[in-house]
Amino acid sequence: GESVGLHLPTLSVQEGDNSIINCAYSNSASDYFIWYKQESGKGPQFIIDIRSNMDKRQGQRVTVLLNKTVKHLSLQIAATQPGDSAVYFCAEKERGSGGSYIPTFGRGTSLIVHP
Amino acid sequence: KAGVTQTPRYLIKTRGQQVTLSCSPISGHRSVSWYQQTPGQGLQFLFEYFSETQRNKGNFPGRFSGRQFSNSRSEMNVSTLELGDSALYLCASSLQGTMNTEAFFGQGTRLTVV
Repeated sequence: GESVGLHLPTLSVQEGDNSIINCAYSNSASDYFIWYKQESGKGPQFIIDIRSNMDKRQGQRVTVLLNKTVKHLSLQIAATQPGDSAVYFCAEKERGSGGSYIPTFGRGTSLIVHP
Repeated sequence: KAGVTQTPRYLIKTRGQQVTLSCSPISGHRSVSWYQQTPGQGLQFLFEYFSETQRNKGNFPGRFSGRQFSNSRSEMNVSTLELGDSALYLCASSLQGTMNTEAFFGQGTRLTVV
């Protein structure tokens, strides 16, 4: 099957900086993309999502950009805080044979925020 | 309301044994999905259940199976355990498993096979 991958396995930033986490996807038919945050010892937590008919979506301190031409997804975190330190996954949702949508996850990027 | 609960949190098993993991979804959620997370392969989809029926299945051998009960609680079973089955097993619940419904994850069960 096709895969979702990440460019950078580790990203280190200073507190207050903006962070950008990138993701490449290969399935041009994907309709829906999600970013998850996973802190140590916890399950992934939904951050923000975007439909394939959008280029940009903003949340609280986070922005997701979608470039369908190059099949690229990015997560921007403004004014990064130590609490943002975690592994970030992008995922694309594909329609499974059973009719429901199943996320396929990228490998993850570890974000380290230095105080 | 309570989140997704997975039990047990940690488990150590011997090769060849079988194991059953449990997942209690958020109240009202009917879709439960299971994932295997390893450092080498990342998060991989195992299967999804909805109203006691398996709707989708990932690319895992038949040793991995699951079921869902009428109260939406789900179990997954791994038979004839192999060392490579050591992983964090996560379950996620959502209302219906549709495209734009958010999935909520439990904290996972850490399985170590020795």
